[in-house]
Amino acid sequence: DTAVSQTPKYLVTQMGNDKSIKCEQNLGHDTMYWYKQDSKKFLKIMFSYNNKELIINETVPNRFSPKSPDKAHLNLHINSLELGDSAVYFCASSQDMGLGSGELFFGEGSRLTVL
Amino acid sequence: AQSVTQPDIHITVSEGASLELRCNYSYGATPYLFWYVQSPGQGLQLLLKYFSGDTLVQGIKGFEAEFKRSQSSFNLRKPSVHWSDAAEYFCAVSTSGTYKYIFGTGTRLKVLA
Repeated sequence: DTAVSQTPKYLVTQMGNDKSIKCEQNLGHDTMYWYKQDSKKFLKIMFSYNNKELIINETVPNRFSPKSPDKAHLNLHINSLELGDSAVYFCASSQDMGLGSGELFFGEGSRLTVL
Repeated sequence: AQSVTQPDIHITVSEGASLELRCNYSYGATPYLFWYVQSPGQGLQLLLKYFSGDTLVQGIKGFEAEFKRSQSSFNLRKPSVHWSDAAEYFCAVSTSGTYKYIFGTGTRLKVLA
């Protein structure tokens, strides 16, 4: 069983379209995250959710809207896609209740290419 | 501001040689420190972590790291590198109450046969 799974793994779309990426974790963790990895491999946190509540929104454009229907799922919807949104998006989870000491478990990433 | 610096973007070593990857952090509070590895096309996997106690921590795949508070460093080491260690390595920092893990820019390791 995959601990953190993301779908789709690859996404190619045109500018202006809307797309979603889904994430599920079966680890029973309370906290989930979205990270963006750019072409230079830089990993930047986008959102953090704890027990379905938004904890961190790291100055991400409001075209990006996360949704957590329950603590095992964190989806990312992106409106009006732009070229600069092309990146690999990683979902992650941890069980540390904000203590900062929990290991992050990552999904395999979703590579988004905007043409 | 909180930050993590990995000064080496690329490192090339021969198989069997020793390895040290550098990581420096800037953090106001006591940090929790992590090293992750990312193989091509994969997510990140934890190698090791430091919370407190012994400043030399052992991880998976024969890696170790040493926390030096006076130098704000958490360098990753391996005595003998294997070809399968070729990957991207990330140092990360977090602290209590932030729900945020900050990553360095990564070091790409190439291993020569």
